[in-house]
Amino acid sequence: DSGVTQTPKHLITATGQRVTLRCSPRSGDLSVYWYQQSLDQGLQFLIQYYNGEERAKGNILERFSAQQFPDLHSELNLSSLELGDSALYFCASSVEPYPTGWSMFFGEGSRLTVL
Amino acid sequence: DAKTTQPNSMESNEEEPVHLPCNHSTISGTDYIHWYRQLPSQGPEYVIHGLTSNVNNRMASLAIAEDRKSSTLILHRATLRDAAVYYCILRDWSGGGADGLTFGKGTHLIIQP
Repeated sequence: DSGVTQTPKHLITATGQRVTLRCSPRSGDLSVYWYQQSLDQGLQFLIQYYNGEERAKGNILERFSAQQFPDLHSELNLSSLELGDSALYFCASSVEPYPTGWSMFFGEGSRLTVL
Repeated sequence: DAKTTQPNSMESNEEEPVHLPCNHSTISGTDYIHWYRQLPSQGPEYVIHGLTSNVNNRMASLAIAEDRKSSTLILHRATLRDAAVYYCILRDWSGGGADGLTFGKGTHLIIQP
């Protein structure tokens, strides 16, 4: 158990819909990261938040957005869903904003299926 | 971020040591070398990291070449539970650019009983 909690574990929805994925970081971790993993691609970094502020952006689509709340949990919002958005979405947390010498802890992921 | 090159897959026998190589010829002086692994149907899991010196922990050892252009993750006695995809990742400690770790394809480690 990494200490990072993601909900829901599984989600099935239709094209054009909007979903929200939730992540609770490990106790004490201020940074939250979101990753997307699809079958034909590796882990793609989407976005990072540190203590409520957006810190870095990766390959995040404009249809996707995220935020980190004062209690440090984070939500990833995916809208106007397309078939290609079907993937595993992972959340990770770390103590500091720069995961250099510090390790990141990943949740078990939310599997999104868009039909 | 500097790139890493790993073999697509490797196979080993249970209870034998496993050496997983990683080439990072364009590594900079401020890059840490991280290893993560991903077991089937799970999120990535931190294994070990280092900068210049060899490192040991309860999971594995990390051997870093003197010129830092390559490194090797060593599992001293592989078990079936070690079957996973292993990712070698470089991360610039100076913090420039995006702060998410960039995962490549990794090495798919197969353990034979």
